[in-house]
Amino acid sequence: QLQLQESGPGLVKPSETLSLTCTVSGGSISSSINYWGWIRQPPGKGLEWIGSIYYSGTTDYNPSLGSRVTISVDTSKNQFSLKLYSVTAADTAVYYCARTVGTDPTSNDYWGQGTLVTVSS
Amino acid sequence: QSVLTQPPSVSAAPGQKVTISCSGSSSNIGNNYVSWYQQFPGTAPKLLIYDNNKRPSGIPDRFSGSKSGTSATLGITGLQTGDEADYYCGAWDSSLSAGVFGGGTKLTVL
Repeated sequence: QLQLQESGPGLVKPSETLSLTCTVSGGSISSSINYWGWIRQPPGKGLEWIGSIYYSGTTDYNPSLGSRVTISVDTSKNQFSLKLYSVTAADTAVYYCARTVGTDPTSNDYWGQGTLVTVSS
Repeated sequence: QSVLTQPPSVSAAPGQKVTISCSGSSSNIGNNYVSWYQQFPGTAPKLLIYDNNKRPSGIPDRFSGSKSGTSATLGITGLQTGDEADYYCGAWDSSLSAGVFGGGTKLTVL
């Protein structure tokens, strides 16, 4: 059974960088048919797609986040990571990593449990 | 303000059928696939429908998806109290070059 687990600091100061890692177990991140993505959900609000990555390193990012986001992959560790730069309180959210099924980045069939990241001084 | 529009809430009695709508435009629903999720408080979303009407393994056929023009619909038959949750639609938006979601619909099973 495929499992995903997010890890990283739960508290980040304003203007600093949010860094999270998603560890995939029970399957290979190098699957040729899947993308891997990050989605976030502010407390009490809806879902926001952050971006996706293919095992080869090809990425897609949400333009609303501009150049503040980078997603990378480490196939040797079966992990992919998220960096969000220059964070503000508006970036406070539960961050999920997920596996994309098919070609639609919003179609994710396996999810991590999510990790709450709070941006506060 | 979400790119995809869903009703904030819907309700129905146990055993009945309910539909949840998701309205978009030609840049998202009109020309791309739609997905649907179920989310219970404090848990990750669960994929119910992808590619408009496909169910992942393990999702009962009580859940169905359809699309017409720039709108999509999630149908749930044989409602159970355990179906009370938030439901979200999602799609790729070709104009924004981003995945987009609806604001979510809270289902109450009376």
